[in-house]
Amino acid sequence: QKEVEQDPGPLSVPEGAIVSLNCTYSNSAFQYFMWYRQYSRKGPELLMYTYSSGNKEDGRFTAQVDKSSKYISLFIRDSQPSDSATYLCAMRRSTGFQKLVFGTGTRLLVSP
Amino acid sequence: KAGVTQTPRYLIKTRGQQVTLSCSPISGHRSVSWYQQTPGQGLQFLFEYFSETQRNKGNFPGRFSGRQFSNSRSEMNVSTLELGDSALYLCASSLARIDSGNTIYFGEGSWLTVV
Repeated sequence: QKEVEQDPGPLSVPEGAIVSLNCTYSNSAFQYFMWYRQYSRKGPELLMYTYSSGNKEDGRFTAQVDKSSKYISLFIRDSQPSDSATYLCAMRRSTGFQKLVFGTGTRLLVSP
Repeated sequence: KAGVTQTPRYLIKTRGQQVTLSCSPISGHRSVSWYQQTPGQGLQFLFEYFSETQRNKGNFPGRFSGRQFSNSRSEMNVSTLELGDSALYLCASSLARIDSGNTIYFGEGSWLTVV
């Protein structure tokens, strides 16, 4: 079993929809949680960064972390065709090491 | 502020050859990590360097190696290339402060094709 599970999709939604992306994990030592967006043939771009449990909002994006359930989510409001990309969840421990463990990524398609 | 810069962006190698990839981190960032991304395995951690020392290593064979220079720039090397080494190799950098409250930024990657 992988440490981080993520539905690969694809997830197809119409423009303007609210998108919900999720990851589950098994390692309770993870303390830092991130969401990256990756366009085709590009490197991952950091979207959201959260420490421990709670919510964080940035524009149309909201990240939620529920450590008791080992479950993290990313919500995208008013989705746009330009949001079409692969979304990767990533997490790491609280030590100084910078090793990230990634989910497989969810491919999102937003149609006009 | 310049981002993480990786060179070359694309390269094709033959089985058995070796390859060296280069990464320049964001100015001021002292930690450089390398990841391999393939369709089947996703993003997998290769190793991390901090102040010219390897601090952490993923589960890859010894053919994969790296180093970091005093200016924080890093290189990774893959020797005796195999077809399965075809992948996007991503470099990431961070401040790596002791309190760990810092973010990790990725470069655009180096696309390696082994034929």
